[in-house]
Amino acid sequence: AQRVTQPEKLLSVFKGAPVELKCNYSYSGSPELFWYVQYSRQRLQLLLRHISRESIKGFTADLNKGETSFHLKKPFAQEEDSAMYYCALGAGGTSYGKLTFGQGTILTVHP
Amino acid sequence: KAGVTQTPRYLIKTRGQQVTLSCSPISGHRSVSWYQQTPGQGLQFLFEYFSETQRNKGNFPGRFSGRQFSNSRSEMNVSTLELGDSALYLCASSLGATEGEKLFFGSGTQLSVL
Repeated sequence: AQRVTQPEKLLSVFKGAPVELKCNYSYSGSPELFWYVQYSRQRLQLLLRHISRESIKGFTADLNKGETSFHLKKPFAQEEDSAMYYCALGAGGTSYGKLTFGQGTILTVHP
Repeated sequence: KAGVTQTPRYLIKTRGQQVTLSCSPISGHRSVSWYQQTPGQGLQFLFEYFSETQRNKGNFPGRFSGRQFSNSRSEMNVSTLELGDSALYLCASSLGATEGEKLFFGSGTQLSVL
């Protein structure tokens, strides 16, 4: 069975501080991992995915298969980063559109 | 380019009734996925349709069903509503050609079952 765990429901940091949102997954196959973000009064949207290895809005995430983790990091948090962040797992193969989401982490960046 | 459109935005039903929710994907997208979001269970996958065929299904009872039309618009139906069906129902569209594609989400339909 696939599972995604985001251990922190709430995370608070000050502007300019580094931030790390943790994500651990459980899946026996080759995973596809994503971070989705929902800003206040906006739709859920893709932030980044591991296959593209890109940095979006200063965020990066590295897939660590040994630790089965996909933590999201940003060296200097901004107030506009305050949002709900979801880690999601796609099972590969024929998992089109089918993602297993974590429970989410609410990030608050204080001025 | 218009985003994913879900209608209606809000619905109030009573137990035992049935409900139909609608989702119009982004033009050119052939895959539509449905998710249920609740405070307790979070986001849970319901099913995914591509070219009018269900390709993936989550672990929901048969009361939850869906379909997709030739223009890629999709509907989701819940029969014999229960109190626990109260949730935000999200649909997401994508091209549907490869795994790991970006999903574009709608704003959702908030269903309240009384």
